[in-house]
Amino acid sequence: DQQVKQNSPSLSVQEGRISILNCDYTNSMFDYFLWYKKYPAEGPTFLISISSIKDKNEDGRFTVFLNKSAKHLSLHIVPSQPGDSAVYFCAAPGTSGSARQLTFGSGTQLTVLP
Amino acid sequence: DAGITQSPRHKVTETGTPVTLRCHQTENHRYMYWYRQDPGHGLRLIHYSYGVKDTDKGEVSDGYSVSRSKTEDFLLTLESATSSQTSVYFCAISPVSGTTSFEAFFGQGTRLTVV
Repeated sequence: DQQVKQNSPSLSVQEGRISILNCDYTNSMFDYFLWYKKYPAEGPTFLISISSIKDKNEDGRFTVFLNKSAKHLSLHIVPSQPGDSAVYFCAAPGTSGSARQLTFGSGTQLTVLP
Repeated sequence: DAGITQSPRHKVTETGTPVTLRCHQTENHRYMYWYRQDPGHGLRLIHYSYGVKDTDKGEVSDGYSVSRSKTEDFLLTLESATSSQTSVYFCAISPVSGTTSFEAFFGQGTRLTVV
């Protein structure tokens, strides 16, 4: 039972255009969402997050949108740069216990073409 | 960068042998996690720890055990390695609960191949 889903394994965009990465979730108790970026042979690194009490959070070129009624979030990257080429994971912390361990989606490989 | 060191970074082992992966942190964070990354599955939680000697199972814990005898070290053991455990393993750490961010910090990963 995948609680966090990324249905697009890959996405290619031209440099300078917008990249939109999507994520769906099934657990309505999730109260926080995070996006991680991963380069080959490196560990994932935190990119941006959003609380469920908000519908948008912006950090420079990166904006995350949350639609709670649709149980959907998206990451927008504007403008896209070749250095943004990486695998992007969405994640949500567990809803019980203190560890709040993260549940991850399967990831989307973003390729930004120069 | 968060002070997390995984060792070894690469290992090839034979089916049926025991293997131990080590995660060492210098951040004094309470929570530590082991994930595995496989194509099409993203990152899946194997085990986690919420304090010294306090551990619990994650989504894919079968065939794995963990130990945490010190705050800074979290060991993952494959009791008898199988080819299905060929994967990239990541350790992660997180500060105590009550923070506003649930961000976890990841190590560089260990690529394990079971032949």
